Amino acid sequence: GAVVSQHPSRVICKSGTSVKIECRSLDFQATTMFWYRQFPKQSLMLMATSNEGSKATYEQGVEKDKFLINHASLTLSTLTVTSAHPEDSSFYICSARQGAAGENTQYFGPGTRLTVL
Amino acid sequence: AQSVTQLGSHVSVSEGALVLLRCNYSSSVPPYLFWYVQYPNQGLQLLLKYTSAATLVKGINGFEAEFKKSETSFHLTKPSAHMSDAAEYFCAVSEGSGYSTLTFGKGTMLLVSP
Repeated sequence: GAVVSQHPSRVICKSGTSVKIECRSLDFQATTMFWYRQFPKQSLMLMATSNEGSKATYEQGVEKDKFLINHASLTLSTLTVTSAHPEDSSFYICSARQGAAGENTQYFGPGTRLTVL
Repeated sequence: AQSVTQLGSHVSVSEGALVLLRCNYSSSVPPYLFWYVQYPNQGLQLLLKYTSAATLVKGINGFEAEFKKSETSFHLTKPSAHMSDAAEYFCAVSEGSGYSTLTFGKGTMLLVSP
């Protein structure tokens, strides 16, 4: 149980284009999903918290107009990198929280490697 | 505010040796603590978690961790390392009650030699 998928696993795009990444909880409903960014050989940096049916909460320094998050259902959240530039190249990982407030456990997707040329 | 410190960015052990990865946390409220493992170009897999029940927590793949409040520690151990244990390990903390975000340590790369 508690499986999270991401699609695509790898994407290469040209500078100026937009890229959408999907995050799905396959066997549970997740009212809250999270988007992280990870640079090579570094830890995960939380970008935003995505709540089903409401606007995402962005961490300080993350441009909400550049990284659009939509959480339209209890099993799907999407991250769209708009007008991507080479500095947006990174490993993007989503997670979905399972359980009640007392559990607070996040399960992670396999990640998406974005390369912007 | 909460934070996590993982001592040692790299830990090297021989196959069959004890694995000890250190994690110290700081939290203003009773914490929940987690260990995740990440293999190259993959997401994070939950190894184990402490959520205010038993202080000695057993996880997958033979790993375990002990929550020590007096030392604010949650070190990860495995009695005998296997080659397949070579990966990046992340300790994370969240506030125990209610919903909160995870704060990750910088990670420790475990290297296992034959």
